[in-house]
Amino acid sequence: QKEVEQNSGPLSVPEGAIASLNCTYSDRGSQSFFWYRQYSGKSPELIMSIYSNGDKEDGRFTAQLNKASQYVSLLIRDSQPSDSATYLCAGYAGNNRKLIWGLGTSLAVNP
Amino acid sequence: EAQVTQNPRYLITVTGKKLTVTCSQNMNHEYMSWYRQDPGLGLRQIYYSMNVEVTDKGDVPEGYKVSRKEKRNFPLILESPSPNQTSLYFCASSARAITSYGYTFGSGTRLTVV
Repeated sequence: QKEVEQNSGPLSVPEGAIASLNCTYSDRGSQSFFWYRQYSGKSPELIMSIYSNGDKEDGRFTAQLNKASQYVSLLIRDSQPSDSATYLCAGYAGNNRKLIWGLGTSLAVNP
Repeated sequence: EAQVTQNPRYLITVTGKKLTVTCSQNMNHEYMSWYRQDPGLGLRQIYYSMNVEVTDKGDVPEGYKVSRKEKRNFPLILESPSPNQTSLYFCASSARAITSYGYTFGSGTRLTVV
């Protein structure tokens, strides 16, 4: 059973701090990973994608991938209350052509 | 504006009354998929379509039907809804099913079956 696991949280950080969200996956064949943000009752919104080992930065967001250790992380710098949401990690395994979703980590940024 | 449009946003229906949730995308995406999202269970794939006339079961297909007669449309059909199909439903599309593309989601349909 291919799995993507996330700590459900809630993760609570003060405004302006760095929020660190982590995700581990079981399928070594997974080739690419995605982070989605989902506000309560709303649809998931793609934030970052990452395909290669290392870091990928986009504004306040940095995605990190370590294929040897099978984990993916998302760092949010200068966290804002508007970042409070659930963050979903998803991994893509080419052999079954589908995304495997984690259950999400709830983030609360406190003013 | 590039988007995935789902209708209706909210629906309350009775057990056994057939319903259709529509999904349309304007991005010429090949891949489309339906998910349901339930507390504690996350996103679960119902059906997906790799292209026109090509559909396949996801992880929880029982009680659902789909069709893909046109590239832009991918309706979800509940022939005889039951209370355990009460859920939040999302349609999603992607340029391709292969590795490099993320999904664009519709706004969701909150379905209640009584």
